[in-house]
Amino acid sequence: DVKVTQSSRYLVKRTGEKVFLECVQDMDHENMFWYRQDPGLGLRLIYFSYDVKMKEKGDIPEGYSVSREKKERFSLILESASTNQTSMYLCASRAAGASGYEQFFGPGTRLTVL
Amino acid sequence: GDSVTQMEGPVTLSEEACLTINCTYTATGYPSLFWYVQYPGEGLQLLLKATKADDKGSNKGFEATYRKETTSFHLEKGSVQVSDSAVYFCALASSNSGYALNFGKGTSLLVTP
Repeated sequence: DVKVTQSSRYLVKRTGEKVFLECVQDMDHENMFWYRQDPGLGLRLIYFSYDVKMKEKGDIPEGYSVSREKKERFSLILESASTNQTSMYLCASRAAGASGYEQFFGPGTRLTVL
Repeated sequence: GDSVTQMEGPVTLSEEACLTINCTYTATGYPSLFWYVQYPGEGLQLLLKATKADDKGSNKGFEATYRKETTSFHLEKGSVQVSDSAVYFCALASSNSGYALNFGKGTSLLVTP
């Protein structure tokens, strides 16, 4: 059974802290994605990665960075957390290739920044 | 750029009622279209998909047909159950965005007994 796991389901941090959100997939997928989900806004793409050590900005990359040192792991980093980064963060992965390949999602991390 | 528009919720239906959630899209090229479902407290899971015009995706009694002429991918179910209560997201993927999914804002469905 395919699986995408995220390091925490719930996380509470303080303004200014550096925050790491980890995502691991066991499907040997080349592509990985980070989205944030907010009520009334749906899901918005933060960053994605085509392959190891490769990354591309999505629609809302400001205030975030990413790291992909190994194929199975894609980390989202909040360099200095702010209250407007309180959100649900969803990681996904997919096999490289045609647009018809589905993305598989993790359970999400609900981050609260105080 | 690519975009997806879906009807706003929340939608409240009685059990066994018919469901339609409208979804239209704007895209260049030939995107693939998806419906994802998010049950309370969970991540997203694929409900169905269609990769070319006139394809019909179906799963768990839900159906959607890829209509290129109307740029639509409406989700339908003939008889909903309480267990269908969830948030439904329409999405598209194309080579324009590196195959990242472009989502609609989601439609919350509540089915009452």
